[in-house]
Amino acid sequence: GQNIDQPTEMTATEGAIVQINCTYQTSGFNGLFWYQQHAGEAPTFLSYNVLDGLEEKGRFSSFLSRSKGYSYLLLKELQMKDSASYLCAVTDSNYQLIWGAGTKLIIKP
Amino acid sequence: ETGVTQTPRHLVMGMTNKKSLKCEQHLGHNAMYWYKQSAKKPLELMFVYSLEERVENNSVPSRFSPECPNSSHLFLHLHTLQPEDSALYLCASSQDPASGRVYNEQFFGPGTRLTVL
Repeated sequence: GQNIDQPTEMTATEGAIVQINCTYQTSGFNGLFWYQQHAGEAPTFLSYNVLDGLEEKGRFSSFLSRSKGYSYLLLKELQMKDSASYLCAVTDSNYQLIWGAGTKLIIKP
Repeated sequence: ETGVTQTPRHLVMGMTNKKSLKCEQHLGHNAMYWYKQSAKKPLELMFVYSLEERVENNSVPSRFSPECPNSSHLFLHLHTLQPEDSALYLCASSQDPASGRVYNEQFFGPGTRLTVL
């Protein structure tokens, strides 16, 4: 079956760095997405990786290793507004998104 | 604002009621999706429409009935629901996933919080 695993909840301190991991097993691979979802709001796109390596976008970076079925989202200089759920999703061979359950990130002052 | 709107934002209904959820996208996309989001569970893809044709129906009970009259509008008709159907229902749109684009980001609406009594 297809499966996406990510931690349920993480806690970090304002100003620090946090890494949210995602491992996947899917039938085919056409890219991996990270989305951010604040409580009561729609998920919004953060990043897309289809080749191995690190993609940096401001305070957020996303890494992919296709051979390991592994990705992480790195958040630097954490701000209180970064408190949200972070969803990992993989596009399978049919171009459909397979979603993880999300990681709830709690930022403490 | 992501360019995808959903109404109503909140809905409470009894098990014998019939109601409809509405989604509208203003992004010129040609694929639309219905998802169910329950607490601490992955997003569950319910239906996919591409070019106004249903291309995916993930074993969704018949008490949920989708309708896509054109590429900008998507409805989810609800009847005789069960309490376990209470969840956040999200609509999303994108360019056709197999259109050959580098990637096909999905844009989500704010969702309808459904409570079935």
